[in-house]
Amino acid sequence: QLQLLESGPGLVKPSETLSLTCTVSGGSISTSDYYWGWIRQPPGKGLEWIGSIFYTGSTYYRSSLKSRVTISVDTSKNQFSLKLSSVTAADTALYYCARQNDCFDPWGQGTLVTVSS
Amino acid sequence: EIVLTQSPATLSLSPGERATLSCRASESLSSYLGWYQQKPGQAPRLLIYGASSRATGIPDRFSGSGSGTDFTLTISRLEPEDSAVYYCQHYARSPRTFGQGTKVEIK
Repeated sequence: QLQLLESGPGLVKPSETLSLTCTVSGGSISTSDYYWGWIRQPPGKGLEWIGSIFYTGSTYYRSSLKSRVTISVDTSKNQFSLKLSSVTAADTALYYCARQNDCFDPWGQGTLVTVSS
Repeated sequence: EIVLTQSPATLSLSPGERATLSCRASESLSSYLGWYQQKPGQAPRLLIYGASSRATGIPDRFSGSGSGTDFTLTISRLEPEDSAVYYCQHYARSPRTFGQGTKVEIK
């Protein structure tokens, strides 16, 4: 079955760029049926959609993060990636990737990113 | 952006009881709403999409209803493993937003 796995540094310094990759297994990312999304969850808080990408590279982002977010796709590796620039402590969160149709399903296990010097 | 307000914040019930969770939207969603279950230390799991369609593998004790601005997730007979936080999420337009969650505790 389809599985997603996030990877990347768990600690990022303030003002630097957070970079995460989501590796998709058990299915192809190059499908016209789905987008692929990033969602985050600050510790003890709720869920916030960050942005999504189609396998062609078409993207759309949450407007409040748009100036700092870049999502890209590498179909040869069956991966998509998130970059979030100029991070602050407010960006500390569990970051999830997920397949997106109307809803998000399935999700990766999540990776905790802490912003701290 | 569309705001989703979930109530109650916490629900404490006994096994076998019925749980009724509410999600109210700041504007009409038609039926473009999903529900997720999140257990501690786990990623959210999709339960319901299209307001009332169960996702693959979801037990039939979970049901969703509603349209427009008012939606309900019902767990007909609570089991101990249903202890979790439940989130609603709309996909009527961008940005997709989530409710703040309802915590279901099993006594």
